[in-house]
Amino acid sequence: SAVISQKPSRDICQRGTSLTIQCQVDSQVTMMFWYRQQPGQSLTLIATANQGSEATYESGFVIDKFPISRPNLTFSTLTVSNLSPEDSSIYLCSVEGPGDRGGGGELFFGEGSRLTVL
Amino acid sequence: AQSVSQHNHHVILSEAASLELGCNYSYGGTVNLFWYVQYPGQHLQLLLKYFSGDPLVKGIKGFEAEFIKSKFSFNLRKPSVQWSDTAEYFCAVRYFEETSYDKVIFGPGTSLSVIP
Repeated sequence: SAVISQKPSRDICQRGTSLTIQCQVDSQVTMMFWYRQQPGQSLTLIATANQGSEATYESGFVIDKFPISRPNLTFSTLTVSNLSPEDSSIYLCSVEGPGDRGGGGELFFGEGSRLTVL
Repeated sequence: AQSVSQHNHHVILSEAASLELGCNYSYGGTVNLFWYVQYPGQHLQLLLKYFSGDPLVKGIKGFEAEFIKSKFSFNLRKPSVQWSDTAEYFCAVRYFEETSYDKVIFGPGTSLSVIP
């Protein structure tokens, strides 16, 4: 299993500002995933972050709004820019457990970062 | 587009009742299947997973799930629920892409409330 630490665990931000969320994993991983869980809803994949390459964004998510850094195999950051109340959500960092591509491992999740935008 | 659907948004059961939560996915290629649970105030935890082999898989806490390829389904079951099973349940599917990475898509979730 993997232990994932996210910071901050929660924050309240003003409209128009930005928040950067950090994700630290206790082991080296190739891919890290960023999800959003809006109140009462399921998880939506924002992007996949590979070390050494640009993040791959899902439909509806763009780099200008959600820039991601992946400087090494144990760390990533997600920035939510130009905040609006609609960005209020829980943001989750996730990594894949051991397993080859034919039998991919399950995802492990951090505790999440709860963002409230006023 | 890949998608995952869950049959029920909210299920209410009495203790000792049997549970079945439906999950269907849209993709006909190679997939891995998961059920996750999120207890109130806690992070997501894996209940069980299917990669290949026996389509009936057993997970933690007495849960099991059956993969029916012809129906693109992966339904979760438990013969007798407990109050402590009250939680949000998410079906998830890993889709293998032609590109260098794959991704896990989550269903909308089913909220289970067990009445003592």
